Amino acid sequence: KAGVTQTPRYLIKTRGQQVTLSCSPISGHRSVSWYQQTPGQGLQFLFEYFSETQRNKGNFPGRFSGRQFSNSRSEMNVSTLELGDSALYLCASRPGQTTDTQYFGPGTRLTVL
Amino acid sequence: AQKITQTQPGMFVQEKEAVTLDCTYDTSDPSYGLFWYKQPSSGEMIFLIYQGSYDQQNATEGRYSLNFQKARKSANLVISASQLGDSAMYFCAMSPDYKLSFGAGTTVTVRA
Repeated sequence: KAGVTQTPRYLIKTRGQQVTLSCSPISGHRSVSWYQQTPGQGLQFLFEYFSETQRNKGNFPGRFSGRQFSNSRSEMNVSTLELGDSALYLCASRPGQTTDTQYFGPGTRLTVL
Repeated sequence: AQKITQTQPGMFVQEKEAVTLDCTYDTSDPSYGLFWYKQPSSGEMIFLIYQGSYDQQNATEGRYSLNFQKARKSANLVISASQLGDSAMYFCAMSPDYKLSFGAGTTVTVRA
């Protein structure tokens, strides 16, 4: 079974721009979660989507949003980029139950200049 | 709120030796899962092992075993017979619900 895929792998943007990251979960997985990893804050939960609905949300500003499509693929959008948004963005999928193990993709490394 | 503590920022281990990575956690939830992930320099978070809070036996997966001491709220990872490919950052994580809460990580460097 193919793993979680994320595109693009690397991205460079400038302040004020917006960016969209994509995540394709493992086949059959209906839940997709997003995490932000920075050297200063570590790994932090952004949000989770299940069956096209946002099921849970972390403590991030409204500039961070996402959506999920009927095929379970998910996109994450960050508007009005700030320097502090530079991070590794990791997507994780699981079958559906919140107790299921989450499997991560390779991440998208975003640099904001 | 959950808190995960990994007190070892970095460790060196000789190839073929065993290494233990410490993890303590704090939660008021009676039901939770404990996880260990490996993150090589490429960035991908690789799932290693899982332990449920009600599991009576310690989890094992190949060369990985989890030393679960519930009363002490500790979930240490033991890697046996270390290999050069084990050099990476290791994260302990916990989930009583929908999200994973991670520790700060421990960098392991395996020496030939």
